[in-house]
Amino acid sequence: EADIYQTPRYLVIGTGKKITLECSQTMGHDKMYWYQQDPGMELHLIHYSYGVNSTEKGDLSSESTVSRIRTEHFPLTLESARPSHTSQYLCASSGESSYNEQFFGPGTRLTVL
Amino acid sequence: KNQVEQSPQSLIILEGKNCTLQCNYTVSPFSNLRWYKQDTGRGPVSLTIMTFSENTKSNGRYTATLDADTKQSSLHITASQLSDSASYICVVSDRGSTLGRLYFGRGTQLTVWP
Repeated sequence: EADIYQTPRYLVIGTGKKITLECSQTMGHDKMYWYQQDPGMELHLIHYSYGVNSTEKGDLSSESTVSRIRTEHFPLTLESARPSHTSQYLCASSGESSYNEQFFGPGTRLTVL
Repeated sequence: KNQVEQSPQSLIILEGKNCTLQCNYTVSPFSNLRWYKQDTGRGPVSLTIMTFSENTKSNGRYTATLDADTKQSSLHITASQLSDSASYICVVSDRGSTLGRLYFGRGTQLTVWP
């Protein structure tokens, strides 16, 4: 079944740790996105990719980095996590439909102590 | 500045009742408007998508309307169920970029009580 997956779903870590949030999709979509969402607030685009070897920064400045070595995989890395990174991180992908509809993963809830 | 404003911020209704959520936007040039449902701790799931030429679209008990002239949209939920408790997010896409940038509202938090 075509879908988009994120792991882990929940992560609690200490300050200074390096973390990688995984995102994979089985829909063959070229475009992929990372959003950050705080409780009661709108989603903010932090990274996106048009395809393999393409990565761009989004509207919201983020200390995280991303890579796109394979079409289906779009991991996000924080080299040194801080409490200010505590948030929900949502991954999405879209194909070539005229609506450019984005399909979202279940999200990763990150807490940095 | 492209913006999406939603009202009310939160809403509590009794099971079986109807409700209407509002969305105003200033995104230009407009491409389409979507309503998403986001359960707590989950990613948003698309309910409806409407383009400039569409003014009503239904998906089961959900009916969305769009007035492109006044830049307003509404989402009407009929005969609410406990499972409708979620955040409903209005999202507008522009057609001014290859990416098809999305502009998100903050959502209306709906709680349905038995």
